[in-house]
Amino acid sequence: DGGITQSPKYLFRKEGQNVTLSCEQNLNHDAMYWYRQDPGQGLRLIYYSQIVNDFQKGDIAEGYSVSREKKESFPLTVTSAQKNPTAFYLCASRTGMNTEAFFGQGTRLTVV
Amino acid sequence: QKEVEQDPGPLSVPEGAIVSLNCTYSNSAFQYFMWYRQYSRKGPELLMYTYSSGNKEDGRFTAQVDKSSKYISLFIRDSQPSDSATYLCAMSASTLIFGTGTRLQVFP
Repeated sequence: DGGITQSPKYLFRKEGQNVTLSCEQNLNHDAMYWYRQDPGQGLRLIYYSQIVNDFQKGDIAEGYSVSREKKESFPLTVTSAQKNPTAFYLCASRTGMNTEAFFGQGTRLTVV
Repeated sequence: QKEVEQDPGPLSVPEGAIVSLNCTYSNSAFQYFMWYRQYSRKGPELLMYTYSSGNKEDGRFTAQVDKSSKYISLFIRDSQPSDSATYLCAMSASTLIFGTGTRLQVFP
């Protein structure tokens, strides 16, 4: 089955730790996106990549980092510099501009 | 002013009602429009997409775009309790711009 797989589904982070969220797609999509979703705030763009080995900051990139070494993979690292990381993180991909995007099932990150 | 405005609701309707969900936008460069349905604690699911003004129908769902007014709508006919979810509109530019979502509750 083609789709986007995010893992893990739930993740707990201690204060001061870096954690990495995985996003893998087998749709042969060029563009991939990371969004953060908080209650009542909709989806906010963290980072996006339109092609392998290239990525751009979104609206709330501070405290996050990404890499795009392979077309199918776009991992997101939540660093200790992110002061309020507890949220629902969503990965999406699409072929390119003016095409529909598809989402993974999300990772819920909680700071303990 | 946000690029995309969407009433957060909640919108509560009886089963069988026609539901109208709407978004307005400010950027006339947007050319591709999408509607997503999101159940609690799940990823958004693509419902409809369109790139032109006018109507597009798929089963009980109709997406409508009015580019002259910068206004898009999603209509749900014969609404069911299983339609209870948050509905997100999205616009395509170099990235995807989302509305905040409208929470819909359909009661039996």
